Formats: sequence, structure tokens, C-alpha cells
Amino acid sequence: AQKITQTQPGMFVQEKEAVTLDCTYDTSDQSYGLFWYKQPSSGEMIFLIYQGSYDEQNATEGRYSLNFQKARKSANLVISASQLGDSAMYFCAMRDEAWEGGATNKLIFGTGTLLAVQP
Amino acid sequence: DGGITQSPKYLFRKEGQNVTLSCEQNLNHDAMYWYRQDPGQGLRLIYYSQIVNDFQKGDIAEGYSVSREKKESFPLTVTSAQKNPTAFYLCASSIDRSGGASNEQFFGPGTRLTVL
Repeated sequence: AQKITQTQPGMFVQEKEAVTLDCTYDTSDQSYGLFWYKQPSSGEMIFLIYQGSYDEQNATEGRYSLNFQKARKSANLVISASQLGDSAMYFCAMRDEAWEGGATNKLIFGTGTLLAVQP
Repeated sequence: DGGITQSPKYLFRKEGQNVTLSCEQNLNHDAMYWYRQDPGQGLRLIYYSQIVNDFQKGDIAEGYSVSREKKESFPLTVTSAQKNPTAFYLCASSIDRSGGASNEQFFGPGTRLTVL
């Protein structure tokens, strides 16, 4: 069974500093996708970044980068130059490709990390 | 503007009553999903639909039902059989069921259901 583990329930970071949010995953699939979503207090889930299992380069999207270490099964999110608006819950998720014989785009989520950016 | 709408934002019901949560999208997406979120937990998949008139159970489908009569709409009914229905419910959609960087799931604003 596939599983996502986020071991940091909460994190503090000073404004303008970088922060790393940890994510490890478990899967026996060779082809999979890893996602990070941001959930502000309003509740909506906002897509941040995607990494495919066969992508050789780490994904980057503006201030977000994904530190993908396939052998260690980790997909940590790095936020550079933190801003007050980055304060939110962050979820790591994995796309399930091996379910009932066909691709489904089903997502499996971790329990999240609450990030607080301090001025 | 394209997006996903869920209404209402907050919903209160008495125990034993069925309640239907709406989810509408105008993104022309084939696939739609319903997730449940409890405090301190991640999202868990309730049901999903890859195409009109077809849907499959997710990890926690017991006590829920769905329909997909139109591409734009994927309502979720929380029945009286659901033992602990109070939660935050999120609807999502994607272009289709395939993977890849261009096929992320887009989420609606959510409905917070409280059963008294």
C-alpha cells in the first residue's frame, strides 16, 4: 500500500528565511507523481509543485522547489525567502497509478505540516 | 472565471438526516473527486468519477453516495448511515484520470458540515 509521511506537525520560520518541509513516501510502483499543496486558513487547497518519478531534475516553481531523493524516497519542499502569506498547512501527496488495473489520478495525502512565518 | 464551486460554505444538520453537498465545475474536466478532511489529518478519498454516469468508491465510501449525471456536477450525499459525518468536505476535478504534471487536481473552497 502507498503511504505518505510528514513528520513535522508544525514549523516556525523567520520572514525572508528559507524553510524545508519534510515528506517521505512508500510505494512499490515505478511510475508515480509527487505533489505539494498549500491550505490557508480559508480551507482551499492550492497546488504548488509536481515531481514525476522519472524526472531527473528537481522541480522548481518560483520560490518553491522540491528536493527529490528517489533512493531515500523523500520529496521535501523548500520555500525560499519566506513571506507572511506563506503561513498555512502544507500537504505532500502522491498520485496513485496502480489501482484496479488503471490510472486514476487518485491522490494519497500526508497529515500535513503547519508552517508559521514570523515577522 | 473557470473554477470549482461548493455550496454552502457551512452546513448544519440534525443527526439522522441525509444531506447533499453540491460541487460544480466549469473547467470542462472529465474527472471529479470528493475528499473528507478531519482535524489533524490529511484528505481521504470518498468517491471519484472519471466520466459522466460512472463513479467508483474511494477509501472511505461507507455512508456516502454520489451521482454524476452531468459533466459539470458531482453532488455528494451524506446519509444517516455515516457514523461520524462532521468534517470538512472538499471537491476536486482534473482534466482526466491520467497522470502527469499538467493534470493536477483543482480544489473547490470546501463545505464544513456539522451534524448536531
